[in-house]
Amino acid sequence: SQTIHQWPATLVQPVGSPLSLECTVEGTSNPNLYWYRQAAGRGLQLLFYSVGIGQISSEVPQNLSASRPQDRQFILSSKKLLLSDSGFYLCAWSVREGSPLHFGNGTRLTVT
Amino acid sequence: QQQVKQSPQSLIVQKGGISIINCAYENTAFDYFPWYQQFPGKGPALLIAIRPDVSEKKEGRFTISFNKSAKQFSLHIMDSQPGDSATYFCAARYAGGTSYGKLTFGQGTILTVHP
Repeated sequence: SQTIHQWPATLVQPVGSPLSLECTVEGTSNPNLYWYRQAAGRGLQLLFYSVGIGQISSEVPQNLSASRPQDRQFILSSKKLLLSDSGFYLCAWSVREGSPLHFGNGTRLTVT
Repeated sequence: QQQVKQSPQSLIVQKGGISIINCAYENTAFDYFPWYQQFPGKGPALLIAIRPDVSEKKEGRFTISFNKSAKQFSLHIMDSQPGDSATYFCAARYAGGTSYGKLTFGQGTILTVHP
């Protein structure tokens, strides 16, 4: 069966520090991968998605970037965090575009 | 621009009651409407989904009602239980163009079921 792993579960970082969140998927090949952000009391906002290694599409202009160095690895990064980057970051995968989306358990990021 | 509007923001129901959450959309390019359930500190999990060629889908205590002409769909939870207390998100999937397959989510409904 397929599983998705996200880490860390929680993270507290000072303003201006770098960020690296990692997500890996097991049990499937060539998944579509997604990064979502969930702000407190708000819905899910799609940040990035990838249909293959090195292929990244950005949905919203922001202080973050994403990379996919391996087939089942998706990384969310920032060179300098802002207070507004605080939130709950969720990685998700699907077999292909249009198939059901499966989420990881998220990373709670607090920028202080 | 919010493409899927969800209501209410929060809902309190007594055990055994019916919970109803509503969503409305504008874009006719949507072709698939899932509902997700999220417990605190966890990622959303797919609960039930419907396609627009069906007016109703039932899985256990959970039912989606879909009204294509009104561009509305709703989640009904029958015999609500305290374990159903969670945040529920509706979503809609784009059917074509460069946005094919992308989900847009409602703002979420926090459901509390009192024992």
